[in-house]
Amino acid sequence: AAGVIQSPRHLIKEKRETATLKCYPIPRHDTVYWYQQGPGQDPQFLISFYEKMQSDKGSIPDRFSAQQFSDYHSELNMSSLELGDSALYFCASSGRTVRGANVLTFGAGSRLTVL
Amino acid sequence: GQQVMQIPQYQHVQEGEDFTTYCNSSTTLSNIQWYKQRPGGHPVFLIQLVKSGEVKKQKRLTFQFGEAKKNSSLHITATQTTDVGTYFCAYAQGGSEKLVFGKGTKLTVNP
Repeated sequence: AAGVIQSPRHLIKEKRETATLKCYPIPRHDTVYWYQQGPGQDPQFLISFYEKMQSDKGSIPDRFSAQQFSDYHSELNMSSLELGDSALYFCASSGRTVRGANVLTFGAGSRLTVL
Repeated sequence: GQQVMQIPQYQHVQEGEDFTTYCNSSTTLSNIQWYKQRPGGHPVFLIQLVKSGEVKKQKRLTFQFGEAKKNSSLHITATQTTDVGTYFCAYAQGGSEKLVFGKGTKLTVNP
């Protein structure tokens, strides 16, 4: 079965540079989420999109932006990178759940290292 | 705001021993989910509980949702080395797409 595809898997950038992460959700999933996970930390919600419209926003820095395109893939753009942005970035997707909250299927993650 | 506390933060067991992690909220939860993240891996959905007092089993894993819907637990019977990883509880705040994760319990198993 198709999973959530993220690219690149690893990314090394210098401070103040820009990075773009891509996510291809599971086909027919209508919601995409971005999470940031620091070492030994829990995943922190950044932003979500439902049917290509931003649906919720978490602790996403102003230097970050995201969008979902007509083909449902999503991109997370990070500018003016700081050392503290080094983390694992997960994309997840979900379809509608009949009862309870949406169930998330996570991609393998993109590991960003800022030097 | 609504918060969940997950305990313990770490748990080390001998293979064959049981393991339990708890997720406690200060307010009523409408639902709770459990995810497992293997070392170097990504979170993988295990179960969702929505009803008061609900108990669900998956082989050696037993999940419970408290009667007051303020706490939940995950119990593993007779741990195996394949159970190693971090177990997160997570919940969605009312009407939100946002799934909030607990701090997780990191389980290590000594063979």
